[in-house]
Amino acid sequence: SQTIHQWPATLVQPVGSPLSLECTVEGTSNPNLYWYRQAAGRGLQLLFYSVGIGQISSEVPQNLSASRPQDRQFILSSKKLLLSDSGFYLCAWSVGENNWNEQFFGPGTRLTVL
Amino acid sequence: LAKTTQPISMDSYEGQEVNITCSHNNIATNDYITWYQQFPSQGPRFIIQGYKTKVTNEVASLFIPADRKSSTLSLPRVSLSDTAVYYCLVGERNSGNTPLVFGKGTRLSVIA
Repeated sequence: SQTIHQWPATLVQPVGSPLSLECTVEGTSNPNLYWYRQAAGRGLQLLFYSVGIGQISSEVPQNLSASRPQDRQFILSSKKLLLSDSGFYLCAWSVGENNWNEQFFGPGTRLTVL
Repeated sequence: LAKTTQPISMDSYEGQEVNITCSHNNIATNDYITWYQQFPSQGPRFIIQGYKTKVTNEVASLFIPADRKSSTLSLPRVSLSDTAVYYCLVGERNSGNTPLVFGKGTRLSVIA
């Protein structure tokens, strides 16, 4: 069966510090991968998605970046965090060219920037 | 992308049937309607998806009228554990197109 891992589960970082969140998927090949952010009391905001290794599409311009160094690994990074980067970060995957609507989400990382 | 409109919140008593309606007036021919459920501090969970008429699974039913400009998620006999945020999304299923957009959803509170 497929599983998705995210770490860390929680993170407290000072403003201006770097960020690296990792997401890995097991049990599937060539998944579509997504990074979302959910600020307190708000809906999910799609940040990046990837259809393959090295292929990244950005939905929202910001100080975040994403990389996909391996088929089932998706990394979210920042060189300098802002207060507004606080939120709940979720990684998700879907499989197949005709099933983007059915996404499976990881447990999330709660990031607090102080 | 077709925009969706849902009620911000709903309350229900345990054991009742809950119907959450979503409006999507600008739905395109190739768009599917998908619903997700999200519990606090967890990622959303796929519930059901449909294109037209009625779809039913072990969790819920999805009713879609002929004009497809709205849809209704029906949860039979809700329990306290169904308290969650429910998202309605509209979009194509094919990769290479713009992915789905999650709105603010409907916060369902089930009361004992």
